Amino acid sequence: SQQGEEDPQALSIQEGENATMNCSYKTSINNLQWYRQNSGRGLVHLILIRSNEREKHSGRLRVTLDTSKKSSSLLITASRAADTASYFCATGWNSGNTPLVFGKGTRLSVIA
Amino acid sequence: DGGITQSPKYLFRKEGQNVTLSCEQNLNHDAMYWYRQDPGQGLRLIYYSQIVNDFQKGDIAEGYSVSREKKESFPLTVTSAQKNPTAFYLCATRQGGGPQHFGDGTRLSIL
Repeated sequence: SQQGEEDPQALSIQEGENATMNCSYKTSINNLQWYRQNSGRGLVHLILIRSNEREKHSGRLRVTLDTSKKSSSLLITASRAADTASYFCATGWNSGNTPLVFGKGTRLSVIA
Repeated sequence: DGGITQSPKYLFRKEGQNVTLSCEQNLNHDAMYWYRQDPGQGLRLIYYSQIVNDFQKGDIAEGYSVSREKKESFPLTVTSAQKNPTAFYLCATRQGGGPQHFGDGTRLSIL
């Protein structure tokens, strides 16, 4: 069952602009993760935020988590053409190895 | 991800044929997963294994089978019972509740 739902489904911006993607989920979680997928490739892990965290940064990435609203956002600052990819959120409901549940993704196009 | 090897990269299946997709990992991760991705869609879980000699069905297990005889290997067989097998198949691993690591996928098509 797909729990995460990303919004928007597709986003097109100019190079240098910021890109914001949102993820909503339905049940309680232990952590939320964001992944990136280039066309025809596997997913690459970007960042993990735990349920007791509100914000996390990694380079040009900023992730927020609001457990009361069951939502998260991924901000990519100063976007580059190389950021063009699909971005997925995934939720984990415990600290073990039970499968993550992925959303349908946001397709980001960064135009040079 | 260099630690997970999926083969072949492209695979063609004839009507009524079973095909097996390979997934090998050298990350020493306990858990392994198979996902199916259709164009423009998210990932749907087929099967997963948290330990050798044990595996569980995911959301769309019908028409698929797996085995986990070795920690490093988790092959997926797409049987003739799977009537719509055309998709991109992704294998992943995980350890200690951390992030999932993915292979580069196998694209399966019907001849």
